[in-house]
Amino acid sequence: GDSVTQMEGPVTLSEEAFLTINCTYTATGYPSLFWYVQYPGEGLQLLLKATKADDKGSNKGFEATYRKETTSFHLEKGSVQVSDSAVYFCALRSGGSYIPTFGRGTSLIVHP
Amino acid sequence: GAVVSQHPSRVICKSGTSVKIECRSLDFQATTMFWYRQFPKQSLMLMATSNEGSKATYEQGVEKDKFLINHASLTLSTLTVTSAHPEDSSFYICSARDDDHEQYFGPGTRLTVT
Repeated sequence: GDSVTQMEGPVTLSEEAFLTINCTYTATGYPSLFWYVQYPGEGLQLLLKATKADDKGSNKGFEATYRKETTSFHLEKGSVQVSDSAVYFCALRSGGSYIPTFGRGTSLIVHP
Repeated sequence: GAVVSQHPSRVICKSGTSVKIECRSLDFQATTMFWYRQFPKQSLMLMATSNEGSKATYEQGVEKDKFLINHASLTLSTLTVTSAHPEDSSFYICSARDDDHEQYFGPGTRLTVT
């Protein structure tokens, strides 16, 4: 079945550091890929998405590129802020299902 | 963008009582809503799929008699935790799917059973 693997956290960075959170997936066919962010005590918010190979999703300075050859969708940001501290979930949705499969989440902690 | 609300955001109840959580799509109609449960520092676990006007579809291992779901209208689904016990304490998140099959998540409800 479908699965998503994220790097374990927490990831701890200083403000303005470069961020990478790795995400790889296993799926049949050509899934859509998503990154969600969950701030403390809140629900999930869609951060960005990509629906086909080589697509790049971007939002709020975050980027991720759909790499079919490596089955990856790594999240990057060039300069993180304290306000980016949250849990980030990678997810996929296969064409035959409208229910996303989530990774376990990666906690990001950004220090001033 | 589409907005989904949940009420209450936090609830504390005594063991043995029931508690109802509401999920509303505020600016779109949702024939399908989803209920998730999230344990501390873990991912979301899909509990059930709620379909307007019909019975909910529960995931394996989820007790349908304990977690009652009612999708009475195109903008409202409710989850009732019956005879709650401390092990039911968790963060419950709903999501609603729009006509383009995009899911929008609610802010979550923190349930604490004492």
